[in-house]
Amino acid sequence: AQKITQTQPGMFVQEKEAVTLDCTYDTSDPSYGLFWYKQPSSGEMIFLIYQGSYDQQNATEGRYSLNFQKARKSANLVISASQLGDSAMYFCAMSLMDSSYKLIFGSGTRLLVRP
Amino acid sequence: AAGVIQSPRHLIKEKRETATLKCYPIPRHDTVYWYQQGPGQDPQFLISFYEKMQSDKGSIPDRFSAQQFSDYHSELNMSSLELGDSALYFCASSSTASLVVTEAFFGQGTRLTVV
Repeated sequence: AQKITQTQPGMFVQEKEAVTLDCTYDTSDPSYGLFWYKQPSSGEMIFLIYQGSYDQQNATEGRYSLNFQKARKSANLVISASQLGDSAMYFCAMSLMDSSYKLIFGSGTRLLVRP
Repeated sequence: AAGVIQSPRHLIKEKRETATLKCYPIPRHDTVYWYQQGPGQDPQFLISFYEKMQSDKGSIPDRFSAQQFSDYHSELNMSSLELGDSALYFCASSSTASLVVTEAFFGQGTRLTVV
């Protein structure tokens, strides 16, 4: 069965520092996509970054980068130069190419950026 | 850029009443997904539509039904509401035309409260 695991319920980071949010996944399907979303207290789900299972390079989007280690089945999100506005819940999710591409989510990590 | 539009943003219903949630996907996106996020939970997949046909079904109660219309908007109908149906309901859309889904954008959600 497919599964996403986020082992950090909550994390603190000092403003302007970098932080890594962990995500491991489990699937026997060779084709899949990995996503990270940010959910502020207002509730909306904001797409941050995507990594495909066949992508050779780690994905980057501005201050966000995805540390993809396929052999370890990990897809950690790295946020550089943290800002106060980065305080939110972060969800890692996976979609499978052989289904409807629906997303399976992890339990999330709540990040708090300290001034 | 156009985003996924959901309405209403907030809804309060009494037990045993009916609710209808609407979703307008991003133009040219061919797939719509519905997710339910309970308090403190990760989003759970309910149902999806591809080109107006149901493509996948998750843990959606029999009291719920959904459809996608000719203009690609989708509606989630919820009957005999229970207190446990109180949640944030998300609609998401994506394009599967390239057979690789690299983005899945969410609407701002409908917060349903059953009293």
